[in-house]
Amino acid sequence: EDQVTQSPEALRLQEGESSSLNCSYTVSGLRGLFWYRQDPGKGPEFLFTLYSAGEEKEKERLKATLTKKESFLHITAPKPEDSATYLCAVWDNYGQNFVFGPGTRLSVLP
Amino acid sequence: EAGVAQSPRYKIIEKRQSVAFWCNPISGHATLYWYQQILGQGPKLLIQFQNNGVVDDSQLPKDRFSAERLKGVDSTLKIQPAKLEDSAVYLCASSFRSGVGELFFGEGSRLTVL
Repeated sequence: EDQVTQSPEALRLQEGESSSLNCSYTVSGLRGLFWYRQDPGKGPEFLFTLYSAGEEKEKERLKATLTKKESFLHITAPKPEDSATYLCAVWDNYGQNFVFGPGTRLSVLP
Repeated sequence: EAGVAQSPRYKIIEKRQSVAFWCNPISGHATLYWYQQILGQGPKLLIQFQNNGVVDDSQLPKDRFSAERLKGVDSTLKIQPAKLEDSAVYLCASSFRSGVGELFFGEGSRLTVL
């Protein structure tokens, strides 16, 4: 059974304090790994897709990386507006199951 | 391009009552998903449609939940009778087709069962 775990469960950072969020997965062949951002009261908003180990994607202060077992979302010099829950999800190799992790709640304090 | 539309945004009902949620996916998206998100957890798939056929409903509590997607476009998710543990946000998402690309989500429908 496909499984996705995320750590830490919650993270509080000071503005400008860089850190990383982790997503570990167990799937029957990875077709794609996705990162989403979810603000309170909103649906998840797509950030990145990663397809193969070694791949990296960047967007503003966010950078996502992928290995064979896990993905990291690096946040450089975060701002309060980066506060949100960050979800990762995977497509398995059969392309049938899009499975989410529990998310990391990020709070960036001014 | 219009996003995924959902209604109602909020619903409060008593236990044992029924409720229905509606979703209109992005135009041209063949695959539609209903997810349940309990507070503090990640979304959990309830049912996946490809056009108007069901691809996966293995986690749908079929004794109380039902869903349909008429004509391969709009979809309705119904809960009857509701239980306290059904309190959650019901998210609808769509994608161009199953197994390809990202999912696009609506704002969700928040259900409170008293």
